[in-house]
Amino acid sequence: NAGVTQTPKFRILKIGQSMTLQCTQDMNHNYMYWYRQDPGMGLKLIYYSVGAGITDKGEVPNGYNVSRSTTEDFPLRLELAAPSQTSVYFCASSTRTGSPFFGQGTRLTVV
Amino acid sequence: GIQVEQSPPDLILQEGANSTLRCNFSDSVNNLQWFHQNPWGQLINLFYIPSGTKQNGRLSATTVATERYSLLYISSSQTTDSGVYFCAPDNQAGTALIFGKGTTLSVSS
Repeated sequence: NAGVTQTPKFRILKIGQSMTLQCTQDMNHNYMYWYRQDPGMGLKLIYYSVGAGITDKGEVPNGYNVSRSTTEDFPLRLELAAPSQTSVYFCASSTRTGSPFFGQGTRLTVV
Repeated sequence: GIQVEQSPPDLILQEGANSTLRCNFSDSVNNLQWFHQNPWGQLINLFYIPSGTKQNGRLSATTVATERYSLLYISSSQTTDSGVYFCAPDNQAGTALIFGKGTTLSVSS
């Protein structure tokens, strides 16, 4: 049972480049989330989804886009990378009332 | 939105000591969870505790929802307890968790 899998684990981007952070879960969870964690800080919610075809903004959505075409996958897209997006990104999934399971994180540096 | 304050921000303990971590939140919540982030960054859920008290081995948690705070107790601390402890109540819509800044715990042998 793989749980929540994020790829890549590490990435360095140049300013203005774009990339997609992949997240997939095999627990048939309806709810999925993207958080970012800046150094010394808690996690801030970027986007979340309560089911396939449904997405909604969190606290810090600017500069990001998501899609949820299947229950399993919830990719996060950065269109024009900026240094302020340097962070560790966590994907998570849960049932409606259950505790979230987190992926291992993606460490992104924008230079 | 809901505000979450955790204290203390940092805590240094000798192995075997006990500690209490506090979480204050600004509005009523239907759900509150405690997480441990280990030194490698992995986040593990410790407790789902919207109210009352729960215990799991050396750890226990108490949430007093009417007074908008939660406490995490760690007894007989071990070096493996080191890491960051996050309190996370749910947002107003109940659709996602809002994280505090965490308490960084360092336990030395």
